[in-house]
Amino acid sequence: GAVVSQHPSWVICKSGTSVKIECRSLDFQATTMFWYRQFPKQSLMLMATSNEGSKATYEQGVEKDKFLINHASLTLSTLTVTSAHPEDSSFYICSATAHGTWTEETQYFGPGTRLLVL
Amino acid sequence: GQQVMQIPQYQHVQEGEDFTTYCNSSTTLSNIQWYKQRPGGHPVFLIQLVKSGEVKKQKRLTFQFGEAKKNSSLHITATQTTDVGTYFCAGVFSGFQKLVFGTGTRLLVSP
Repeated sequence: GAVVSQHPSWVICKSGTSVKIECRSLDFQATTMFWYRQFPKQSLMLMATSNEGSKATYEQGVEKDKFLINHASLTLSTLTVTSAHPEDSSFYICSATAHGTWTEETQYFGPGTRLLVL
Repeated sequence: GQQVMQIPQYQHVQEGEDFTTYCNSSTTLSNIQWYKQRPGGHPVFLIQLVKSGEVKKQKRLTFQFGEAKKNSSLHITATQTTDVGTYFCAGVFSGFQKLVFGTGTRLLVSP
């Protein structure tokens, strides 16, 4: 149980285009989803926290107009990188938590999406 | 700010040797989690520690949470080549929902 999927796993796009990444909780309802970015040989950096039906909370330094997050249902969150540039090339990973007391919750991570912007 | 540091950044051991990575937080944590990320893969949850002074074991892995809930360690006994990867701790700060990942320790095990 507690499987999170991401689609696509790989995406290559031209500079200036927009890319949408989907994150789905397959066998549980995700009250909260998180989006991370990881550059090569670095740690995971939280970009935003997304609660179903409400606006995402972005971390300091993350442009909300560039990284659009939608959490329209309890099983799906999307991250859209708008007008992507080469510096946006990274490994984007989502995670999800289920209903319950936060301090007892585990984040279940998706397999990640590698974005390469040419 | 909320920061979680890990040491060492990198360690190369011979198979059979022990390995320890240490995690330190700037402030008290609500809980701490440990993840393993294989090269090219995504973080995989290993364990969560909640109580002050807690110690948990998973086969050759021993996890500890400090009494002050500001530090933690992961010890691997008799490493194997399958232990290769980057180990991250991730802390939850009291009153906050998010995980703050540590800087990670990359482990390389030679046969």
